[in-house]
Amino acid sequence: AQSVTQPDIHITVSEGASLELRCNYSYGATPYLFWYVQSPGQGLQLLLKYFSGDTLVQGIKGFEAEFKRSQSSFNLRKPSVHWSDAAEYFCAVAPNNAGNMLTFGGGTRLMVKP
Amino acid sequence: ETGVTQTPRHLVMGMTNKKSLKCEQHLGHNAMYWYKQSAKKPLELMFVYNFKEQTENNSVPSRFSPECPNSSHLFLHLHTLQPEDSALYLCASSQDGGAGNTIYFGEGSWLTVV
Repeated sequence: AQSVTQPDIHITVSEGASLELRCNYSYGATPYLFWYVQSPGQGLQLLLKYFSGDTLVQGIKGFEAEFKRSQSSFNLRKPSVHWSDAAEYFCAVAPNNAGNMLTFGGGTRLMVKP
Repeated sequence: ETGVTQTPRHLVMGMTNKKSLKCEQHLGHNAMYWYKQSAKKPLELMFVYNFKEQTENNSVPSRFSPECPNSSHLFLHLHTLQPEDSALYLCASSQDGGAGNTIYFGEGSWLTVV
């Protein structure tokens, strides 16, 4: 069975600073990989996903993520954080033969300082 | 507005009550899901319906009973719950149960069991 680890429970960055949120997964093959964002009181919104091909994936709101097979990682990055990016971020994986069966990490709560 | 609507948004129920959560999607999708999000655990997939047929029950206790009368509606019937069942219950949908389809989430129903 697959699993996902987000090592950082909380991260605080200053507005305008760069951001990297870590995600490591465990799965026997290359899974499908996702990042979702959840603002307070809201459901989850898909930021980006990786299925195959180019390992650097562009998403919405200026986010990108890079799949590194050798490190079993799929870290999320943004070059310049905006105050509106404060939210909880979830990494998820799915088997490549059942791409709708998501397993989520525990989430990283991002706070943005003015 | 994500196209997935959940009601009620908040529910408080006693352990002997029977209540239901409702989910409706306006996206023309054929797969629907229930997830549980609690404070101490990662998001957990509970049930999957594909073309109105239940295709996944992730070892969910029988006090949770899903119903999918058509592809647009999904219910979660609740009875004799425990306080540890208090959580945010998220409904989601996708085009179908296949890989590659984006999963869209509703805003969730906050359940408190007293």
